[in-house]
Amino acid sequence: EPEVTQTPSHQVTQMGQEVILRCVPISNHLYFYWYRQILGQKVEFLVSFYNNEISEKSEIFDDQFSVERPDGSNFTLKIRSTKLEDSAMYFCASKSGLNQDEQFFGPGTRLTVL
Amino acid sequence: QKEVEQNSGPLSVPEGAIASLNCTYSDRVSQSFFWYRQYSGKSPELIMSIYSNGDKEDGRFTAQLNKASQYVSLLIRDSQPSDSATYLCAVRGTGRRALTFGSGTRLQVQP
Repeated sequence: EPEVTQTPSHQVTQMGQEVILRCVPISNHLYFYWYRQILGQKVEFLVSFYNNEISEKSEIFDDQFSVERPDGSNFTLKIRSTKLEDSAMYFCASKSGLNQDEQFFGPGTRLTVL
Repeated sequence: QKEVEQNSGPLSVPEGAIASLNCTYSDRVSQSFFWYRQYSGKSPELIMSIYSNGDKEDGRFTAQLNKASQYVSLLIRDSQPSDSATYLCAVRGTGRRALTFGSGTRLQVQP
């Protein structure tokens, strides 16, 4: 069964450093998302991406964040200058968009900012 | 602020019983409703989607939607210890891409 994959599974970085989180959405899916979950809190939407552009973003997704689909398979989230409060699980999700509205989540990347 | 509310639990049921999980949402024009299961330290796993009023059954799971009451529920029949997890209700509003998640209900199935 096709799955969303994410790398790395765990990333440790120093405050102020740049990190890139990588995702490979399910093949033939058209809509891509990033969510995050701070330990013990709700899953929060960050950004959605369709047709090579951002289609929606939340207040969390400020100028420190960017997304890119550099090729036909990868979808990346970049945090330019990490803060302590960026420590969270980051989930990538994808949706086919073809008459179905279901988003499927990857296993997540645990980001720890020291 | 569009909200999705769930009782945090824990909801404790004996093995073989029916577990009933509830969710209310504030955005009256929400279109799509989902239940995800999340084991500790893992990602959300989609278990049910429902888009219209009424019941939708899939194996041991039944989702129920009442848009007039802005209420969605999940019934798990013949609960198993492996069903012990946090169940997340998620809602997509009209015109939005994002899912809004509730804080989840922790279910404990006692052997």
